[in-house]
Amino acid sequence: DSGVTQTPKHLITATGQRVTLRCSPRSGDLSVYWYQQSLDQGLQFLIQYYNGEERAKGNILERFSAQQFPDLHSELNLSSLELGDSALYFCASSYGLAGPNTGELFFGEGSRLTVL
Amino acid sequence: ELKVEQNPLFLSMQEGKNYTIYCNYSTTSDRLYWYRQDPGKSLESLFVLLSNGAVKQEGRLMASLDTKARLSTLHITAAVHDLSATYFCAGPLTGTASKLTFGTGTRLQVTL
Repeated sequence: DSGVTQTPKHLITATGQRVTLRCSPRSGDLSVYWYQQSLDQGLQFLIQYYNGEERAKGNILERFSAQQFPDLHSELNLSSLELGDSALYFCASSYGLAGPNTGELFFGEGSRLTVL
Repeated sequence: ELKVEQNPLFLSMQEGKNYTIYCNYSTTSDRLYWYRQDPGKSLESLFVLLSNGAVKQEGRLMASLDTKARLSTLHITAAVHDLSATYFCAGPLTGTASKLTFGTGTRLQVTL
């Protein structure tokens, strides 16, 4: 158990809909990362937040948005869903205030999104 | 943009055999990470290599980093079925230490 919690674990929805994925980082970690894993694209970095602020952006679609709240949990919002958005979405955390910061990411169990 | 390439993409090997997975990256990076993923599961951190020449071992797996050659290797010794999984290497851009860029993964299948 990495200590990173993601909900929901599974989600089935229809095209055009909007969903929200939630992530609670490891206790004390300030950074949250979102990754998308699909069969054809592999593991793609979407976005990173550090202590509530956006720190880095990757291949995130305009239909997707994210935020990190004061309690450090994060949400990834996916809207106007398309069939191609079906994937496993991972949240990871790192950079706690205690201990050495090696840049190592700790991943949650993922949220599997199926768009029908 | 950092690019990370792994080879082979798929590896089928017999129990008891040795093999090496290679990870090449395109730009300067002073650290490299290896992860393991079982089908449909999360990514588990295996090794964190933080400097040139770093070598780490855990059980039948040993990872090394050569930053000058921009190459990391994951060596498997006397493979067992439990090692069957997909292995990813990942690296950050030097100076950012923020996002990790992942390789395509090497799917390892260890057969009896």
